[in-house]
Amino acid sequence: DTAVSQTPKYLVTQMGNDKSIKCEQNLGHDTMYWYKQDSKKFLKIMFSYNNKELIINETVPNRFSPKSPDKAHLNLHINSLELGDSAVYFCASSQGFGQETQYFGPGTRLLVL
Amino acid sequence: DQQVKQNSPSLSVQEGRISILNCDYTNSMFDYFLWYKKYPAEGPTFLISISSIKDKNEDGRFTVFLNKSAKHLSLHIVPSQPGDSAVYFCAAGGFDSGGSNYKLTFGKGTLLTVNP
Repeated sequence: DTAVSQTPKYLVTQMGNDKSIKCEQNLGHDTMYWYKQDSKKFLKIMFSYNNKELIINETVPNRFSPKSPDKAHLNLHINSLELGDSAVYFCASSQGFGQETQYFGPGTRLLVL
Repeated sequence: DQQVKQNSPSLSVQEGRISILNCDYTNSMFDYFLWYKKYPAEGPTFLISISSIKDKNEDGRFTVFLNKSAKHLSLHIVPSQPGDSAVYFCAAGGFDSGGSNYKLTFGKGTLLTVNP
C-alpha cells in the first residue's frame, strides 16, 4: 500500500505552459506539504496545509498555487512554467504539526524546456 | 544561509564496519532532528529521530547522537550493509523567526556507499 503517492512521476513540458501535480496520502494525516529539491539538492519547504488550511507559504512565486480539496489530497498547480521551475517536487504528510515525522511521496521530476 | 550542514558529500565504508554520518546546525531554536534515507528516483524515507531533550536514540542498527552544545548530530550505522547505500539527509525542526510556523530544514545530504 502506497502511503503518499504523487502523479505524474515525470513531467516534461514547454516554457509558458500550465501544469498540475497531484498528491494523495492514505495515512489519515492532518498535515500535508510540498517541497522542492533543486539542482543543488536542497529540499526546501514550499507550502504546508493543516486540515485543508494553508499554514506555511514560503517565498514562492504566486505562479505556484496549492489546493487541498480534502485532508487526503494536496495538489500543486503551476502557471506559466519557467526554466528555473525544473526540479523534483516532493509531497509529504504528517499526523499533526510540530514535532511530527513527515512521510514523503516518490517525487515528481519536472523538466521545463 | 545554510542552517543545516552536511559537510561530507560522500562516504564509503566496508560492509560490516561502522558508518558515521555527521550534521551540524546553526539555529539553537531547532528542537527536533531527523535522519532520512533516499534511494535514487524515490522519496526520502524516515529513518530515525531525536528530540532536543535527549542526547541519544537507538533503533536496531541505527543510533543518532545529539550534542546540543556543539550543535552537532551524527548517525551511526553498525554493522553497515550494502543495502544501506543511499543518500542520507539530516533535517532539523523548529519554529520560524515569526514563531508561528514549524518547519523542517534539510541538509544537502551525504551519499553513503557500503562496499561488499
